[in-house]
Amino acid sequence: DGGITQSPKYLFRKEGQNVTLSCEQNLNHDAMYWYRQDPGQGLRLIYYSQIVNDFQKGDIAEGYSVSREKKESFPLTVTSAQKNPTAFYLCASSIVTGGGNGEQYFGPGTRLTVT
Amino acid sequence: SQELEQSPQSLIVQEGKNLTINCTSSKTLYGLYWYKQKYGEGLIFLMMLQKGGEEKSHEKITAKLDEKKQQSSLHITASQPSHAGIYLCGAEMNTGNQFYFGTGTSLTVIP
Repeated sequence: DGGITQSPKYLFRKEGQNVTLSCEQNLNHDAMYWYRQDPGQGLRLIYYSQIVNDFQKGDIAEGYSVSREKKESFPLTVTSAQKNPTAFYLCASSIVTGGGNGEQYFGPGTRLTVT
Repeated sequence: SQELEQSPQSLIVQEGKNLTINCTSSKTLYGLYWYKQKYGEGLIFLMMLQKGGEEKSHEKITAKLDEKKQQSSLHITASQPSHAGIYLCGAEMNTGNQFYFGTGTSLTVIP
């Protein structure tokens, strides 16, 4: 079955530690995205990538880093510089971006709690 | 500032009632997408609208995009408990490739 997987479902970390969230897709999509969801704020874009070895900052990239070494994988690292890291993180992919062709397929999400 | 405004923020309806959720932008939308999210899970794609005046239906859910391509509505007919969840609109703006989401509408359907 094709789809997007995110792991783990729940993640707990101590403040000051970096943590990496996994996102893998086997849909052969070129574009991948990371969003953060907080109550009452909808989804906010952290980073997106339209092609391997290239990515762009979204609206709230500070304190986060990504890599896109393979088409299938787009891991997100939440660094200790992120002031409010506790949130629900969603990964998505789409065939292309722009031009009204960007239907996005979402993973099940990772809930990160930092104490 | 919020690129896409959704209203209402939350909705509680009795089973069998009709309801409408709105999504508004000050900019022209190149593609307008409706998603549904169950609490604590990922988003499920519902429908995509691209042309001004376009209307699409799937089962009891109908989505419309206005002629100016700045406002969309999602209408549910004869709501059921299975319709409960968070509905989000998303769109590509004419300013570039970035995709924006609305703040979401939380729907509760009381049996």
